[in-house]
Amino acid sequence: NAGVTQTPKFQVLKTGQSMTLQCAQDMNHNSMYWYRQDPGMGLRLIYYSASEGTTDKGEVPNGYNVSRLNKREFSLRLESAAPSQTSVYFCASGSGGYYEQYFGPGTRLTVT
Amino acid sequence: AQSVSQHNHHVILSEAASLELGCNYSYGGTVNLFWYVQYPGQHLQLLLKYFSGDPLVKGIKGFEAEFIKSKFSFNLRKPSVQWSDTAEYFCAVNGRYSGGGADGLTFGKGTHLIIQP
Repeated sequence: NAGVTQTPKFQVLKTGQSMTLQCAQDMNHNSMYWYRQDPGMGLRLIYYSASEGTTDKGEVPNGYNVSRLNKREFSLRLESAAPSQTSVYFCASGSGGYYEQYFGPGTRLTVT
Repeated sequence: AQSVSQHNHHVILSEAASLELGCNYSYGGTVNLFWYVQYPGQHLQLLLKYFSGDPLVKGIKGFEAEFIKSKFSFNLRKPSVQWSDTAEYFCAVNGRYSGGGADGLTFGKGTHLIIQP
């Protein structure tokens, strides 16, 4: 039981490049989430998916797109990376609603 | 929009000292509250949670937290800290965003705790 897995662990992009961060969970959770963590800012929700086939914006969605590929997988895409998107990105999953969320190991992204 | 405030951004304690980390939230309705811990180089792990019932909740590794509804607070405590408790601690509440969903967590900015041997 791997829990929540993320790839890649580290990535360096140049401004304007695109990339997709992958996330998968094996806990049969309905809901999945993408957060970014910046120093002194805590974690902020980018997008979430309450169930397969649905996605919604969180607090900081600008510059990102997501795809809920199936119940297990939820990807985050940066179409044209900017230095302001340098951050650590965490994927999480949960049963939804009021319940706790379980986090992946994170992707450290640097945009130069 | 709701928010979470953690009063101490950096805390340094000696081993065996007692710990209390403050957390206040602003939200008018029923809340679920969480404390997460992030050890150096690791991902977030759930320490404890409050949904309803007894306002004093116990979590893993000897941590506990008390929900005081009248004060909108959910402070984290541990009677005697260890060097291995060095980590970043985040308070969180279940959130509601302008997009209409109700599933996200709103996090505080975190408290960086350093335990000196």
